[in-house]
Amino acid sequence: GAVVSQHPSRVICKSGTSVKIECRSLDFQATTMFWYRQFPKQSLMLMATSNEGSKATYEQGVEKDKFLINHASLTLSTLTVTSAHPEDSSFYICTPWDTTTDTQYFGPGTRLTVL
Amino acid sequence: GQQLNQSPQSMFIQEGEDVSMNCTSSSIFNTWLWYKQDPGEGPVLLIALYKAGELTSNGRLTAQFGITRKDSFLNISASIPSDVGIYFCAGQLSTGTASKLTFGTGTRLQVTL
Repeated sequence: GAVVSQHPSRVICKSGTSVKIECRSLDFQATTMFWYRQFPKQSLMLMATSNEGSKATYEQGVEKDKFLINHASLTLSTLTVTSAHPEDSSFYICTPWDTTTDTQYFGPGTRLTVL
Repeated sequence: GQQLNQSPQSMFIQEGEDVSMNCTSSSIFNTWLWYKQDPGEGPVLLIALYKAGELTSNGRLTAQFGITRKDSFLNISASIPSDVGIYFCAGQLSTGTASKLTFGTGTRLQVTL
């Protein structure tokens, strides 16, 4: 199957700092990337959809100025959590969409802990 | 955001038993997917269903796409310890385009020897 990487896998930061999470599709090109968030013992909730070269579309209730998404190339998308607070602590998962197989492949996730 | 209702929420079963879980929605989907998630990892796709009424198997797993397009179920036969994890259903409106997934609330499965 397709390979998706996320970096870092875990990050702990202080409240008020910004954290950047990278998502790469290693063996396919992704014109569309989905970013999900999963709080402990809960399901995955879509945060935003990004298309390469254009602005991301955010789901209702997700602050676009707080969660900055950049999809500058067909193999890389980044999510930056700005001015992180403890309530932003969550598991963030990216899902690039492979057009050739019409399949979304989940990344391994990034565990963010904000102290 | 919308979530699909999944039941049961959790279950403890003995090794060798069969497991059944289902997922319902108030709106229709054109694709139903079932995922398994292990702790600290991203979900892994188990089965994808593309047509109402479709019954698909993947080893010991069998899933069906409900006729109304508002539900789906997943069966696991002869469970083994490595089946432990959280199972999520997901609905997708479109195929052939990048369409977001709406996830179920999850079923936590624990298998005892």
